Amino acid sequence: DTEVTQTPKHLVMGMTNKKSLKCEQHMGHRAMYWYKQKAKKPPELMFVYSYEKLSINESVPSRFSPECPNSSLLNLHLHALQPEDSALYLCASSLVGQGLNEQFFGPGTRLTVL
Amino acid sequence: GQNIDQPTEMTATEGAIVQINCTYQTSGFNGLFWYQQHAGEAPTFLSYNVLDGLEEKGRFSSFLSRSKGYSYLLLKELQMKDSASYLCAPQTRTDKLIFGTGTRLQVFP
Repeated sequence: DTEVTQTPKHLVMGMTNKKSLKCEQHMGHRAMYWYKQKAKKPPELMFVYSYEKLSINESVPSRFSPECPNSSLLNLHLHALQPEDSALYLCASSLVGQGLNEQFFGPGTRLTVL
Repeated sequence: GQNIDQPTEMTATEGAIVQINCTYQTSGFNGLFWYQQHAGEAPTFLSYNVLDGLEEKGRFSSFLSRSKGYSYLLLKELQMKDSASYLCAPQTRTDKLIFGTGTRLQVFP
């Protein structure tokens, strides 16, 4: 299994809703990432988990709350989002250490906040 | 600080060769990745360079000069399906990938 899966593919939510994005991989990768990508812009790193511990938080607002329940799963909990948070949310995973490690990306969740 | 510079758009003809340049400045550097991204899809890995020189992978090659903070991606025998954005992404010593704004390549028949 050499893929990263993400659910849902699309999500529409109101500003008062609470929702979660899910990401899963079974490649034995111990680093997992959340990126946000706006139209015609590059992916921007949000969070990095290494061995199920949060290692990087790129000053992301607290309305985004990541969780890594085990080495295969990564969640992003969303609460009280703003319309400007509408974007493609990408999950990625990679090996840890031992030089350069390619990040494998999932297909993304396209989020629309109304 | 971090700064990555690559052309915004390029056009080329099917069967031709195109070179996409990237210059970068990052605080700490492990190596450099190139990713391809079709519209509405996830980025897919193309190549990476750790040491200076050329890495060849089929129709795609990537070059790195660490001292100059410069890389390029060379695409040969262009096909229509190569129309996509190409993202230059240096990796820092904390394993962070910093993506450039991407170069949108259009291949014409």
